[in-house]
Amino acid sequence: AQTVTQSQPEMSVQEAETVTLSCTYDTSESDYYLFWYKQPPSRQMILVIRQEAYKQQNATENRFSVNFQKAAKSFSLKISDSQLGDAAMYFCAYRTLYNFGNEKLTFGTGTRLTIIP
Amino acid sequence: NAGVTQTPKFQVLKTGQSMTLQCAQDMNHEYMSWYRQDPGMGLRLIHYSVGAGITDQGEVPNGYNVSRSTTEDFPLRLLSAAPSQTSVYFCASSTRAGGIAYEQYFGPGTRLTVT
Repeated sequence: AQTVTQSQPEMSVQEAETVTLSCTYDTSESDYYLFWYKQPPSRQMILVIRQEAYKQQNATENRFSVNFQKAAKSFSLKISDSQLGDAAMYFCAYRTLYNFGNEKLTFGTGTRLTIIP
Repeated sequence: NAGVTQTPKFQVLKTGQSMTLQCAQDMNHEYMSWYRQDPGMGLRLIHYSVGAGITDQGEVPNGYNVSRSTTEDFPLRLLSAAPSQTSVYFCASSTRAGGIAYEQYFGPGTRLTVT
């Protein structure tokens, strides 16, 4: 079974600075998806970024980018130019690529990010 | 599109009561699922469905029932509420149109307290 580990329960960063959130996972599969979801105080789960394991290039979405190290099974999220609106709980999640019907997301325990004005 | 909607947003139950959490999506997604979120544990899968009439268990199915009579709706039933079911519940949907697995879209959640 796959597992996802987020070893930083809490992080803080000064506004406009850069912060990196860590995520490691364990799987025996060669192809899969990885996601970062953001959960602000409103509770809504919002997709931040997605990475397909078969793609070598790291995904980027505006100020958000990932460092995907497949051999090390590491998937960190970098937030550049941090803004107050980035304050939230961030979850790393794993999803298998194959087997239609096995759409299960396996989540880490989350990292609470605080932005210091 | 409204996306994924859940009702109610908040609910308080007494131990032993039953209730149904509603979930609906208007994106014609074939896959729907229920997760629960507990402090320090991330989200865990309760039940899921790959289409109307087809459901299966996730990681933590005990005490919950689901059915999927239409593509749009996927209600979650608590048969006899217990304090251990105090949690935030999320419904999600996704599609594999064209064979590509797209991300799951989440509803706003239901905070359930069982006393």
